[in-house]
Amino acid sequence: GENVEQHPSTLSVQEGDSAVIKCTYSDSASNYFPWYKQELGKRPQLIIDIRSNVGEKKDQRIAVTLNKTAKHFSLHITETQPEDSAVYFCAASQTGANNLFFGTGTRLTVIP
Amino acid sequence: NAGVMQNPRHLVRRRGQEARLRCSPMKGHSHVYWYRQLPEEGLKFMVYLQKENIIDESGMPKERFSAEFPKEGPSILRIQQVVRGDSAAYFCASSPRGQGLSGANVLTFGAGSRLTVL
Repeated sequence: GENVEQHPSTLSVQEGDSAVIKCTYSDSASNYFPWYKQELGKRPQLIIDIRSNVGEKKDQRIAVTLNKTAKHFSLHITETQPEDSAVYFCAASQTGANNLFFGTGTRLTVIP
Repeated sequence: NAGVMQNPRHLVRRRGQEARLRCSPMKGHSHVYWYRQLPEEGLKFMVYLQKENIIDESGMPKERFSAEFPKEGPSILRIQQVVRGDSAAYFCASSPRGQGLSGANVLTFGAGSRLTVL
């Protein structure tokens, strides 16, 4: 089955700096890669996703890149703000699959 | 649209008791997924159900755990004879009927049910 690895497990940045979280996956058939943000005690919420037919996607301060050859994808947050502090999970899935395979999460702390 | 509704939000059980967690998917969603999240860990897939059918239970422990999604009513995750190791947050997610041309599992999560076993 699919194995998703995520790094780093914790990340602290100064407000205004950029944050990068990286994930690798093992199954070359995976073609859908969402990112979820989970604030303390709350539900995971989808913040951005990318499909294998594109290499990059942006949404305001958030961007995701995908390298299918190397089987890795990354989340980039620019101009970080304290409200970006949360745990971020990457995931991988494929067409027709029954579930998402999640990484172990990155706890991002943005220091004011 | 009320989103994915889970209850109870918090449940305390003593060892050996039963825990029942309920999940109502988003309106129009007929696919339900249960995930378990241990403290400081990621989300682990447990089971995927459609109405009246278990499609994939490969992540479900073989004993004491069961799930159902009846024709009427919410999906239920049932844990019998709970042990301390069952303490976790249990998240339900739902997705729309079918995968469509995009073919991807866009999941919407509920707020979770936090089970504490004393």
